[in-house]
Amino acid sequence: KAGVTQTPRYLIKTRGQQVTLSCSPISGHRSVSWYQQTPGQGLQFLFEYFSETQRNKGNFPGRFSGRQFSNSRSEMNVSTLELGDSALYLCASSSPRGAGPTDTQYFGPGTRLTVL
Amino acid sequence: DQQVKQNSPSLSVQEGRISILNCDYTNSMFDYFLWYKKYPAEGPTFLISISSIKDKNEDGRFTVFLNKSAKHLSLHIVPSQPGDSAVYFCAGAGGTSYGKLTFGQGTILTVHP
Repeated sequence: KAGVTQTPRYLIKTRGQQVTLSCSPISGHRSVSWYQQTPGQGLQFLFEYFSETQRNKGNFPGRFSGRQFSNSRSEMNVSTLELGDSALYLCASSSPRGAGPTDTQYFGPGTRLTVL
Repeated sequence: DQQVKQNSPSLSVQEGRISILNCDYTNSMFDYFLWYKKYPAEGPTFLISISSIKDKNEDGRFTVFLNKSAKHLSLHIVPSQPGDSAVYFCAGAGGTSYGKLTFGQGTILTVHP
């Protein structure tokens, strides 16, 4: 079974631009979560989607948004990029059933975003 | 508020010996804990998990212990191998917080041949 895939793997943008990152979950998984990893803040939860609905959201500004499609693929968007948005963005999928908070999450390789 | 803490930034162990990685948590709503292994510029790889109804879970060389009263968990790797060298993260989940893992800051494990 193929794992979680993320595209692109690397991105370079300038301040003020916007960016869209894509995530394809493991086949049959219906829940997709997004995380940001930075050296200073570690791994932080952005949001989670299940059946095209955002069920949970972390403490990030409204510039960070996401969506999920009917095939469970998900995208996240960051508008008006700031230097501090430079990070590794990870998505994870879980749960064929989308049952609850305690399903194991499996991560993709991440997208490395650099904001200049 | 750091709800999951890994107080040792690094650990160095000889090949064949036991590696013990520790994690403390403060959120009483957590009822599921996971350990992940991570290499730079890659996504975390799931290693092992434990539910709060258990105090021990084993999978091959990896064993996780949970002490709920102390809000402490540990990962034991026996025997340690050079290929185990990586950053190890513990994470907590639970309550109604769907899809959210709360991670510790990670411990860099180095296993010397």
